[in-house]
Amino acid sequence: AQSVTQLDSQVPVFEEAPVELRCNYSSSVSVYLFWYVQYPNQGLQLLLKYLSGSTLVESINGFEAEFNKSQTSFHLRKPSVHISDTAEYFCAVSDANAGNNRKLIWGLGTSLAVNP
Amino acid sequence: DGGITQSPKYLFRKEGQNVTLSCEQNLNHDAMYWYRQDPGQGLRLIYYSQIVNDFQKGDIAEGYSVSREKKESFPLTVTSAQKNPTAFYLCASSPGGLPADTQYFGPGTRLTVL
Repeated sequence: AQSVTQLDSQVPVFEEAPVELRCNYSSSVSVYLFWYVQYPNQGLQLLLKYLSGSTLVESINGFEAEFNKSQTSFHLRKPSVHISDTAEYFCAVSDANAGNNRKLIWGLGTSLAVNP
Repeated sequence: DGGITQSPKYLFRKEGQNVTLSCEQNLNHDAMYWYRQDPGQGLRLIYYSQIVNDFQKGDIAEGYSVSREKKESFPLTVTSAQKNPTAFYLCASSPGGLPADTQYFGPGTRLTVL
């Protein structure tokens, strides 16, 4: 069965520093990959997703993630973080050939804390 | 504005009481989901529905029940059989429940059982 591992539960970083949040998934079958962000006491919202095509996907607020099929990874990066990026980040995967089993498989989340 | 609403935001109940959490969407989405979120455990799927009058158990359905009588509504009942009901509950919807679909989340309901 598919599983998702977010390698860091907490990532502290200083403002304007670069950050990478790591995500690996277990199965190399055809997948769709997602990053969601959750600000404190709120629901989740989609940050970016990979469906097909270019392996590098970008969000409107400067985050990017690269799909690496050989390493079954989908790491999230930002070259310079802001205080407002402080949030919980979730990686999720779905099987592109799922048929009737269309659930998202979620990682446990990475808490990004941006300090001044 | 289109979106998902969950009410109430905070809910307190005594142990042994059933409680129903509301979830309404006006996005015209076919699929709806209920998740439970506990610290350090990420999101766990309770129930999901891909179409009106049909729903399936997720990974942690025991102690919960749902209904889907209308496309826009997917209420979750936390029954007294749920041993640890205190948690943050998130409702989501997606256009068709397909693997590539984005899920859109409500603001959540924080349930505390005293």
